[in-house]
Amino acid sequence: QQQVKQSPQSLIVQKGGISIINCAYENTAFDYFPWYQQFPGKGPALLIAIRPDVSEKKEGRFTISFNKSAKQFSLHIMDSQPGDSATYFCAASLIQGAQKLVFGQGTRLTINP
Amino acid sequence: DAGVTQSPTHLIKTRGQHVTLRCSPISGHKSVSWYQQVLGQGPQFIFQYYEKEERGRGNFPDRFSARQFPNYSSELNVNALLLGDSALYLCASSPGQGTDTQYFGPGTRLTVL
Repeated sequence: QQQVKQSPQSLIVQKGGISIINCAYENTAFDYFPWYQQFPGKGPALLIAIRPDVSEKKEGRFTISFNKSAKQFSLHIMDSQPGDSATYFCAASLIQGAQKLVFGQGTRLTINP
Repeated sequence: DAGVTQSPTHLIKTRGQHVTLRCSPISGHKSVSWYQQVLGQGPQFIFQYYEKEERGRGNFPDRFSARQFPNYSSELNVNALLLGDSALYLCASSPGQGTDTQYFGPGTRLTVL
């Protein structure tokens, strides 16, 4: 019940295209869903986060779509750029214990120029 | 301002040995969390400390322990090292609890031979 499943494992997108990464969770008590970006040799950095009281959140080229009934959420990267090439992790936690993040397995995104 | 710093950057140990990893949070941050990231997987929560008290513990054996000092820096200790302990150990800090963004350090790469 603590798992977060992420797909795909790897993704190749052409420059200017839309990158889409999906996550599914089991624990219906989760109520905080962040996405992290990790470059080689660096720690994860928060990109964007959402709570389940909204179905979509947009920050610049990054959008989270959230489907509470399906227990799924996804990250969309519009106008993908080579600099977006990194590993992306979805995560989930309880607001009450928001420091304890449960991460997905990660998606290695490559943007071809 | 300096981000989260961790030391050492890399470490090689042999089975059965003990290791201490160190973390300095961002100035003013009182919460420190530790995560283990095995190659190719998402980070897994180990501990959270806030105001020098343990506030959360993940599913790790008692060989793993941690503490937080009065200046909010933290140490992660692992005894009786196993080959499976080889991983990137990440430290994250945040100003407090709740949904405060967690800022990750670059990690310590531990290799157990």
